[in-house]
Amino acid sequence: AQSVTQLGSHVSVSEGALVLLRCNYSSSVPPYLFWYVQYPNQGLQLLLKYTSAATLVKGINGFEAEFKKSETSFHLTKPSAHMSDAAEYFCAVSPMSGNNRLAFGKGNQVVVIP
Amino acid sequence: DGGITQSPKYLFRKEGQNVTLSCEQNLNHDAMYWYRQDPGQGLRLIYYSQIVNDFQKGDIAEGYSVSREKKESFPLTVTSAQKNPTAFYLCASKPSGRAAGELFFGEGSRLTVL
Repeated sequence: AQSVTQLGSHVSVSEGALVLLRCNYSSSVPPYLFWYVQYPNQGLQLLLKYTSAATLVKGINGFEAEFKKSETSFHLTKPSAHMSDAAEYFCAVSPMSGNNRLAFGKGNQVVVIP
Repeated sequence: DGGITQSPKYLFRKEGQNVTLSCEQNLNHDAMYWYRQDPGQGLRLIYYSQIVNDFQKGDIAEGYSVSREKKESFPLTVTSAQKNPTAFYLCASKPSGRAAGELFFGEGSRLTVL
C-alpha cells in the first residue's frame, strides 16, 4: 500500500521568499509521484510528476520537485513566491505497476503574505 | 473545449434523500474516478471505472453508488445510507497509457445536507 505524509496543514510565506512544501511517501514498490494544486472551489490541476526519468522535475508556474529515494521524499519548491501561488497543494503517490491507485496527502494550504 | 463538466456546482439536500451528481467528459478518456474531499483530509477515492459497464469500489464506497453506461458519463448517487454526506465531490478522468496519477479533474460539486 502507498501513503503520503504532508506536514503542516497551513504554510505562510512572504511574497518573494522561497516556497518549500515537504512530502514523504511510503511505498512497497517503485512509485510514481505527483504534486497537484487546487484553487478555491475548483478542481485539482497537475503541477508536476515523477515517473522514473529525471529525479529533478520541473512543473508549471515555476515549481520544481526532487525525488530522493534514500529519503523517500518528493519536496516541492519555488524560489520566489507570488501572490497567485496562494492555493492548496497536494502530494500524491501511485505504484508503477499493479492496480496503480493514487493515494493523496492531506494537503498544504499556502498563504502568501505581501 | 475539451474537459470534465460536473453539475450541479452546489447542491442542498434534506436528510434521507438520495441525490445524483453528474460527471461528463468529452476527452475520450477510458478511466473515470469519484473522490470526496473534506477539509484537512485530502482526497479519498469513492469509486472508479476503467471501462464502460465496469466499476470498482474505492476506499469509502459505503453509502454511494455509480453507473458507467457510456464512456462520457459517470454519475454518482449519494444515498440516504451515507452518514455524513456533506463534502466537496470531485470527478476525474485519465486517458489510457498514462500513469495512474495523471488525472484530469472537474471543478467539483459541493453537497450540503440540511
